[in-house]
Amino acid sequence: GAVVSQHPSWVICKSGTSVKIECRSLDFQATTMFWYRQFPKQSLMLMATSNEGSKATYEQGVEKDKFLINHASLTLSTLTVTSAHPEDSSFYICSANPRSGRAGETQYFGPGTRLLVL
Amino acid sequence: AQSVSQHNHHVILSEAASLELGCNYSYGGTVNLFWYVQYPGQHLQLLLKYFSGDPLVKGIKGFEAEFIKSKFSFNLRKPSVQWSDTAEYFCAVNGYNTDKLIFGTGTRLQVFP
Repeated sequence: GAVVSQHPSWVICKSGTSVKIECRSLDFQATTMFWYRQFPKQSLMLMATSNEGSKATYEQGVEKDKFLINHASLTLSTLTVTSAHPEDSSFYICSANPRSGRAGETQYFGPGTRLLVL
Repeated sequence: AQSVSQHNHHVILSEAASLELGCNYSYGGTVNLFWYVQYPGQHLQLLLKYFSGDPLVKGIKGFEAEFIKSKFSFNLRKPSVQWSDTAEYFCAVNGYNTDKLIFGTGTRLQVFP
């Protein structure tokens, strides 16, 4: 089955530092990857859509300069939380849509990255 | 506005009880519907999905869901739950020709032996 990995699985950092989270599709190519944020006991909120070879599309209210997304290849997307603050602490989850699938096909989710900013 | 509502936030059941989790959506046009499950400490997994055809879809682990277009609903059911079904369940929708998923707020299911 399709597998999506994330690295790191958890990270603790000091306020003001930047943190990079990687999302990889291990056994398929993904034209599109998605980044979500999940607060405790709440649903997943889509932050942005990452498209290989082009700029990411951010959802309303998400600061593009704070959450930098780079989709460098068909198997890798990165999310960099710049100048992280305690309110950025959250669970970040990525998902990927297989390249061969039509729009609307199943997304495969990564295991998530828990970020704690002190 | 596009949205998904899950009315049951927390459900507690005994093993062998029947389960039905409600999901209603608001979305213009043709939709694809999904139920995802998140077991404690694990990532989201697809339970089942509806794209077209038979509105009663069967998924893994004995789950099924029925798409009722007139009611904009996609309720999840299981005749007899097990302790291992304890998890968070999310209903999600996207448009026929778009990848953007909209999630409901989730339902936490606790099953006691």
